[in-house]
Amino acid sequence: DAGITQSPRHKVTETGTPVTLRCHQTENHRYMYWYRQDPGHGLRLIHYSYGVKDTDKGEVSDGYSVSRSKTEDFLLTLESATSSQTSVYFCAIRAGRADYEQYFGPGTRLTVT
Amino acid sequence: SQQGEEDPQALSIQEGENATMNCSYKTSINNLQWYRQNSGRGLVHLILIRSNEREKHSGRLRVTLDTSKKSSSLLITASRAADTASYFCATLPYGSSNTGKLIFGQGTTLQVKP
Repeated sequence: DAGITQSPRHKVTETGTPVTLRCHQTENHRYMYWYRQDPGHGLRLIHYSYGVKDTDKGEVSDGYSVSRSKTEDFLLTLESATSSQTSVYFCAIRAGRADYEQYFGPGTRLTVT
Repeated sequence: SQQGEEDPQALSIQEGENATMNCSYKTSINNLQWYRQNSGRGLVHLILIRSNEREKHSGRLRVTLDTSKKSSSLLITASRAADTASYFCATLPYGSSNTGKLIFGQGTTLQVKP
């Protein structure tokens, strides 16, 4: 499982509250990714990181921010949660020297009421 | 917008039968990958095929890639109930090697009946 954990695994929060999801890896991978998964949309990239303090936007980054202060942790923050951000969030790391397959964490199910 | 479109969206077969899923994409790619997702779990990498390869095998999995048609297929032979899952194709677009940003299709849900 590439040593990837996500916390919390489930969260219910109210509209307008800030939420932070954590992704933790134990194998010192440089690249980390945050996706959201919604019915009918597959996985969509929110943000990714290519090193400590190095991050960039993905396809659906509006309303989300990220931080990576150390290699093992990649945090995803919803500054003011909205109902449209109800989703399952997956963190992934990039592995492989040339082909760049990804390995995923178990996911966080977030419900915004 | 999603790079990969998968077909069919859902597939139901009997144990022992073969399952074929198709993926189409829009732009040039470095490689195409297939992932499996069991209900309530994260995605698991299954197999990768590079743009200069036409066919690849791994156990009961066979992947083909036709870059002229921008399409790929995943064949699972002699399916088992444990193969019940959603299957996603993902492409690494040409020029994205530095970022490793994959683009995922919407997935095919496979049900294998015992």
